[in-house]
Amino acid sequence: IQLTQSPSSLSASVGDRVTITCRASQGISSYLAWYQQKPGKAPKLLIYGASTLQSGVPSRFSGSGSGTDFTLTINSLQSEDFATYYCQQLNTYPLTFGGGTKVEI
Amino acid sequence: EVQLVQSGAEVKKPGESLKISCKGSGYRFTSYWIGWVRQMPGKGLEWMGIIYPDDSDTRKSPSFQGHVTFSADKSISTAFLQWRSLKASDTAMYFCARPRSVYPDDAFEIWGQGTMVTVSS
Repeated sequence: IQLTQSPSSLSASVGDRVTITCRASQGISSYLAWYQQKPGKAPKLLIYGASTLQSGVPSRFSGSGSGTDFTLTINSLQSEDFATYYCQQLNTYPLTFGGGTKVEI
Repeated sequence: EVQLVQSGAEVKKPGESLKISCKGSGYRFTSYWIGWVRQMPGKGLEWMGIIYPDDSDTRKSPSFQGHVTFSADKSISTAFLQWRSLKASDTAMYFCARPRSVYPDDAFEIWGQGTMVTVSS
């Protein structure tokens, strides 16, 4: 299953609302996760089950979607949110990642 | 504290062999799968596969089939990623990661710090 993220990069300001989309090449129900990765660091799990917030993740992050189309939304972007975001499908092996979306200032 | 600690950076020549490690602590190591993720320089994440340390059951991406080997030693709570003959294209950061639950197809909640492998003549 291929995952296509868009956009591949975006520029935003602190306080903005940011939306990242992830489209699967075939239906994956709600078996999707989102991760945040900062330079030189391991990824961090944000959302699983397409919309369930991982413990400890700020509520400004939210996820939605099912089937083939998914969205990660960051409300009121904070300085610490500038990073690269990846989706991952958990429906079919191999458990592929999307290509990533870099959120820049 | 639940954590995965990986072995240090490696510099190798093409054709050499290599085994890197990922040690789990703070949880029952044999109850959770351990996955491996590759990140080539400046590129995205690639799911390589996953191993169940209790019986070494493995799921591997076709992209990595035949080139890498997963193994685990439950007596020392450590998973391994191994190459018999490295190529320059193996240059990458390799992460190990543990799923949220005992199921192999769950999201990765716990990550190692990564091991940088550089292959150059």
